[in-house]
Amino acid sequence: RKEVEQDPGPFNVPEGATVAFNCTYSNSASQSFFWYRQDCRKEPKLLMSVYSSGNEDGRFTAQLNRASQYISLLIRDSKLSDSATYLCVVSLNSGNTPLVFGKGTRLSVIA
Amino acid sequence: ETGVTQSPTHLIKTRGQQVTLRCSSQSGHNTVSWYQQALGQGPQFIFQYYREEENGRGNFPPRFSGLQFPNYSSELNVNALELDDSALYLCASNRGGEGYGYTFGSGTRLTVV
Repeated sequence: RKEVEQDPGPFNVPEGATVAFNCTYSNSASQSFFWYRQDCRKEPKLLMSVYSSGNEDGRFTAQLNRASQYISLLIRDSKLSDSATYLCVVSLNSGNTPLVFGKGTRLSVIA
Repeated sequence: ETGVTQSPTHLIKTRGQQVTLRCSSQSGHNTVSWYQQALGQGPQFIFQYYREEENGRGNFPPRFSGLQFPNYSSELNVNALELDDSALYLCASNRGGEGYGYTFGSGTRLTVV
């Protein structure tokens, strides 16, 4: 079983749609959780950290369920500029431990 | 604009050759990690350096090696290149103790023919 698993995608949605990405992780000792965004042929960039209480940043909402080892990302009112690959990422703690990436889910927002 | 720079941006090598990739980290970032991203995959952790010592390694063979220098720059060396080494190689740095503070460079795209 892969350490971090994501929806296979791709997701093709019209502008204005709401889209949800799901992710599960296998290591129950994981302490830090993130969503990264990666544009085609570019480096990953941190979209948001994910906290147990859930957190929101504009149109983006992230949720974490430690009991189920499940992470989600919700994008509301999709924009063309949201088209990218979304990577679910976990780490053992907030110190110097490496990031473990999922395979990523590609999103295409269509006009 | 990223504070981590990598060179070269693109590279073509022949199977069996050796390659050195370079990374210049943000000032004060004493931890540097290297990742390999194959096409269609998420980045995979290669190894990490903290204050010039390797302090973590992923599932990569010994022909992948690295160095970190006092000026926070670092190198990734790959010997005996194989076709499957073709990938985007990413360098990431942080200050240490802040796992959420990784900054990625734009990567080096290596093609092995």
